[in-house]
Order: sequence, then structure tokens, then C-alpha cells
Amino acid sequence: ETGVTQSPTHLIKTRGQQVTLRCSSQSGHNTVSWYQQALGQGPQFIFQYYREEENGRGNFPPRFSGLQFPNYSSELNVNALELDDSALYLCASRLAGGRNEQFFGPGTRLTVL
Amino acid sequence: AQKVTQAQTEISVVEKEDVTLDCVYETRDTTYYLFWYKQPPSGELVFLIRRNSFDEQNEISGRYSWNFQKSTSSFNFTITASQVVDSAVYFCALSGWGSSNTGKLIFGQGTTLQVKP
Repeated sequence: ETGVTQSPTHLIKTRGQQVTLRCSSQSGHNTVSWYQQALGQGPQFIFQYYREEENGRGNFPPRFSGLQFPNYSSELNVNALELDDSALYLCASRLAGGRNEQFFGPGTRLTVL
Repeated sequence: AQKVTQAQTEISVVEKEDVTLDCVYETRDTTYYLFWYKQPPSGELVFLIRRNSFDEQNEISGRYSWNFQKSTSSFNFTITASQVVDSAVYFCALSGWGSSNTGKLIFGQGTTLQVKP
């Protein structure tokens, strides 16, 4: 158990819809990163939030957006869903300036039909 | 550009065999971090080790050991006397230095390890 939780566990959406995924960081962690893991692939970095501001972004289009709240929980929003967005979405939290060990949540499995 | 290559897609061993998972990385940074994570069927990534680029000492933790060689840009992972519970997908990852870079992990494709009884 890493102390990082994600909801929902599974989600099914149709093309064109919008989705919001949620993550609750480990207590005391002020930085959260989101990753997309397609089947059979390694996770790919989407973006990172530090103190409620985006602080680094991977090669993902603007329809992937996020929020981090004062209690360090966060959201990943994806608009205009495409079939290729089907993946496991992982969030990871860490303490900036600490040992740089990212702790991952169990993920949300998103299926786009 | 940063890149991590895990050339072994799948490895199958019999319990109690030793197994080495290979990891080769590319980066132009002079300081960076390297990681290994384990992903069991449940999906959650489990942190195994972090190594920074200026510490080339090999590390041993129980049945696990890691060999970091900067000269060959490799960070290999060995499991001694493998057990069925070691069956999982293992990922090697790389990150830059500094607050905004250390959260961005570049993962390899992963190696699926199957340990048969």
C-alpha cells in the first residue's frame, strides 16, 4: 500500500465524451504526476503538478488537462475522447525536494468505445 | 532525447534460477536518476530502487541486486533464487535532475518475468 488512491477503478466511455479521473496523494506529498499506460507498453508521462500549478508536460495534446487542489488531491481531465485514449491511467505522488521516490496509485482503467 | 531500452520482452525461468533483467538508457544530462519498478497483475507500480548518476556502487537488497555501469549506460537488475511471487512486469526508468525534471519518469517497454514452479 503506497497511500495513493485513485478513482474510479474502471470506466467505460464512448468516443467524443469527456472524463475526469481522480487521485489522492500520499499524506505530505506536494507533487503529483500523471501517466498513461497503453496495453503492453511502459507508462508515458502526461504532466506534473506542484503546488497547484502545472510544472512539466509530456507529449500530450491540450485536451488532456489537470488540476491539483490545496489538499494535494488532483484530477486528470480528458476531453473529446478517442479510441487510443483507452489505457491504464496512473498517478504518482512525491515530496518535492525529498528523496524523489514516486509512489504510484493502483490506476484507473479507461476503455473508450 | 532521453530513452530507456529494455530489450528483453519476456523471460521465463524455473523457480530458484537466477535471472538478470537488462536496462540501457540514453541521456545528454550529466546528472540524472535511474529507477526500477515492479508491476504485478494488479497494476500498481511498486518502487524497487532509485540510483543517482554519481553513485555507481552496486546495491544488494535481499535477493535483489543492481549493477549500474555509467560507461555502458546500463542499469541491470538481478534476482537471485527466483520465486513464483517474482512473476511480474519490471520497468526501468530514467528522470532528470531538479524539481521540475525529477517527476518526469521515462520508462522502458518493460520485461515480463514468468517464474515457473
